[in-house]
Amino acid sequence: AQSVTQLGSHVSVSEGALVLLRCNYSSSVPPYLFWYVQYPNQGLQLLLKYTSAATLVKGINGFEAEFKKSETSFHLTKPSAHMSDAAEYFCAVSEKSGSYIPTFGRGTSLIVHP
Amino acid sequence: DARVTQTPRHKVTEMGQEVTMRCQPILGHNTVFWYRQTMMQGLELLAYFRNRAPLDDSGMPKDRFSAEMPDATLATLKIQPSEPRDSAVYFCASGLLAADTQYFGPGTRLTVL
Repeated sequence: AQSVTQLGSHVSVSEGALVLLRCNYSSSVPPYLFWYVQYPNQGLQLLLKYTSAATLVKGINGFEAEFKKSETSFHLTKPSAHMSDAAEYFCAVSEKSGSYIPTFGRGTSLIVHP
Repeated sequence: DARVTQTPRHKVTEMGQEVTMRCQPILGHNTVFWYRQTMMQGLELLAYFRNRAPLDDSGMPKDRFSAEMPDATLATLKIQPSEPRDSAVYFCASGLLAADTQYFGPGTRLTVL
């Protein structure tokens, strides 16, 4: 069975500060891991994904995430927050074997202060 | 730039009325998902199709909701009769593989009065 936990429903940072959004997962087999972003009044769009290549994955808009198997984590970071990063972020996990569809976390709302 | 399209974008209706939401998946994608998003429940999977066949609709209230794919270019989600608690944003997503990236449409915002 697969599951994902996003710590913190809201994260608030100042513009220019480090962004860290946390995601922990459970999966009985090697996983696919995803981060999606949802801007207001829009659908989710893929930010980045891990599929067993490099453990440090770079995505769009300067975001990156590191797969840490020992910690079962896939935290999302960005060195310097921009006002336009304010959005809802979703972590998702799926199991590569079979046809398991992704399980999404509850989402973390990123608030960026000027 | 291929996109998932959904119609209508907004729908306001009265309790008891039938609601039909439509989705056009990206051409060539063989998996289609329907989700419902609310503040209280977050993102909930309602139904999942592969090659137009329903594989999982366990998240869908069976008595009032139905999902179909009449052809590869159209997926529909119907609610009959609608209730105020159905008010939410409904998203359709499509993909090539069940476990891989999903491409979301812009959603249909449903308000049931």
